[in-house]
Amino acid sequence: AQTVTQSQPEMSVQEAETVTLSCTYDTSESDYYLFWYKQPPSRQMILVIRQEAYKQQNATENRFSVNFQKAAKSFSLKISDSQLGDAAMYFCAYRSAIRGNTPLVFGKGTRLSVIA
Amino acid sequence: NAGVTQTPKFRVLKTGQSMTLLCAQDMNHEYMYWYRQDPGMGLRLIHYSVGEGTTAKGEVPDGYNVSRLKKQNFLLGLESAAPSQTSVYFCASSYSGRWGETQYFGPGTRLLVL
Repeated sequence: AQTVTQSQPEMSVQEAETVTLSCTYDTSESDYYLFWYKQPPSRQMILVIRQEAYKQQNATENRFSVNFQKAAKSFSLKISDSQLGDAAMYFCAYRSAIRGNTPLVFGKGTRLSVIA
Repeated sequence: NAGVTQTPKFRVLKTGQSMTLLCAQDMNHEYMYWYRQDPGMGLRLIHYSVGEGTTAKGEVPDGYNVSRLKKQNFLLGLESAAPSQTSVYFCASSYSGRWGETQYFGPGTRLLVL
């Protein structure tokens, strides 16, 4: 079974600075998707960024980018120019692209605080 | 376009009571999911459905039942609530096939079982 590990329960960053959240995963599959979700205090789960394993180029969405290292099974999220609104729980998630439709497998999350 | 909606937003139950959580989506998605979120545990899949009339068990299905009588609705039932079911419940939906890699989440239902 696939597992997703987020080794940093909590992180903090100064406003306007850059922070990197770590995520590693374990799988024997070669084709899959990886995601980062943001969960603010409202509890809504918001998709931040996604990466397809067969694409070598790292995904970017405005201030959010990933460092996808397939061989190392690592998928870190970099937030540049951090803003107060970035404060939230961040979840890394995995989904197989091989075995039909399979649900997401989530990590336990990293709580990010942004200091003004 | 409301996306994924959940009813109710918050509920308090006594041990042994029953209730049904409703999830509705207006995106014509084939797949729907129920997760629970507990502190330090992340999100865990309870049940999911790949189409109208079909359901399957997830990681933590015990104590829950589900039904998908209509494509747009996915119901989660607790027949006899227990304090261990105190949690935040999220519903999600997605397209089928390869393009279904992105799940859209509802706002969550907070359930407290006393």
